[in-house]
Amino acid sequence: EVQLVQSGAEVKKPGESLRISCKGSGYSFTRHWISWVRQMPGKGLEWMGRINPSDSYTNYSPSFQGHVTISADKSISTAYLQWSSLKASDTAMYYCASATWFDPWGQGTLVTVSS
Amino acid sequence: EIVMTQSPATLSVSPGERVTLSCRASQSVSSNLAWYQQKPGQAPRLLIYGASTRATGIPARFSGSGSGTEFTLTISSLQSEDFAVYYCQQYNNWHTFGGGTKVEIK
Repeated sequence: EVQLVQSGAEVKKPGESLRISCKGSGYSFTRHWISWVRQMPGKGLEWMGRINPSDSYTNYSPSFQGHVTISADKSISTAYLQWSSLKASDTAMYYCASATWFDPWGQGTLVTVSS
Repeated sequence: EIVMTQSPATLSVSPGERVTLSCRASQSVSSNLAWYQQKPGQAPRLLIYGASTRATGIPARFSGSGSGTEFTLTISSLQSEDFAVYYCQQYNNWHTFGGGTKVEIK
């Protein structure tokens, strides 16, 4: 079964750093781009950026460029999304998704940033 | 950046009705358009890619059409499990999602 499994929910304080993960299985991880998608509470889907796991080449949405970093470790079939300094406005559900049209999706990682 | 606009924002329908959702791109995306369904508390699910190709396991009552800048998702006879939010996404130039259409029970 092709699937993406994300790390668990996180509760952080403003200014803290964070890295969440997305592990692929059931397929060749380097074959498809991995994208990250944000969904703020009660809102729609926003594409943040993507990474080519074979060479770690990345593209970022202008809205997220400079605010997050996407990386990958192909040896363990895992992609990452990280923040160096979280803000309350980063509170959201974050999904990873594979391929050109997104299928499959990870189950989501809820990130809560609150003092 | 390509802007995707979905209409209407909310659609109130009865089970068994035919439903048509619209998605417009600010510039041509050819047929590089996907549709997703999202239910509360769940990750989105791919329904349609290539504007008109149903994903694996998607019932035939879901169909997609269009190319260029105008796209449509049609549900031929709405079932109870179809009440959800639907998003279109272009992948012609990176990725952009529409704002979503909520299909609710009338």
